[in-house]
Amino acid sequence: DSGVTQTPKHLITATGQRVTLRCSPRSGDLSVYWYQQSLDQGLQFLIQYYNGEERAKGNILERFSAQQFPDLHSELNLSSLELGDSALYFCASSLSGGADTGELFFGEGSRLTVL
Amino acid sequence: EDQVTQSPEALRLQEGESSSLNCSYTVSGLRGLFWYRQDPGKGPEFLFTLYSAGEEKEKERLKATLTKKESFLHITAPKPEDSATYLCAVQARNDYKLSFGAGTTVTVRA
Repeated sequence: DSGVTQTPKHLITATGQRVTLRCSPRSGDLSVYWYQQSLDQGLQFLIQYYNGEERAKGNILERFSAQQFPDLHSELNLSSLELGDSALYFCASSLSGGADTGELFFGEGSRLTVL
Repeated sequence: EDQVTQSPEALRLQEGESSSLNCSYTVSGLRGLFWYRQDPGKGPEFLFTLYSAGEEKEKERLKATLTKKESFLHITAPKPEDSATYLCAVQARNDYKLSFGAGTTVTVRA
């Protein structure tokens, strides 16, 4: 158990809908990362937050947004969903938000299926 | 843009049959190279960090090595419980994200 909690574990929805994925980092970790994992593209970095502020952005679509709240939990919002958004979405956390560690602790992921 | 290529895509081993996985990378100033293990339906689990060419790290039957262009993950006398997908990732200097390779799926038969 990594200590990172993601909900929901599974989500099935229709095209055009909007969903919210939630992540609670390990106790004491200030940084949260979101990754998307699909069969054909592997793990793709979406966005990072550190202590409530956006720190780095990857290839995140404009239809997607995220935030980190004062209690350090994070939410990833996916809107106007398309079939291609079906994937596993992972949240990871680390103590530091700096470029000084690659030891990320991953949750078990949220599997999104868009029909 | 950082690039990470892992080979082979899949590896089937007999229990006790040692082998190596390769991770080739292109990055503008390497800060660190990382190995993770991912079991089906689970999130990746951190294994090693390597920072400079010549560095080696070991954990049980796994040993990771690093050169200026690639890293190897050696599995010595593997057991069925070593079956998993092994992911390699790089982090560039002054960058916060990790860039992952597609992984090598290892299956160890008893």
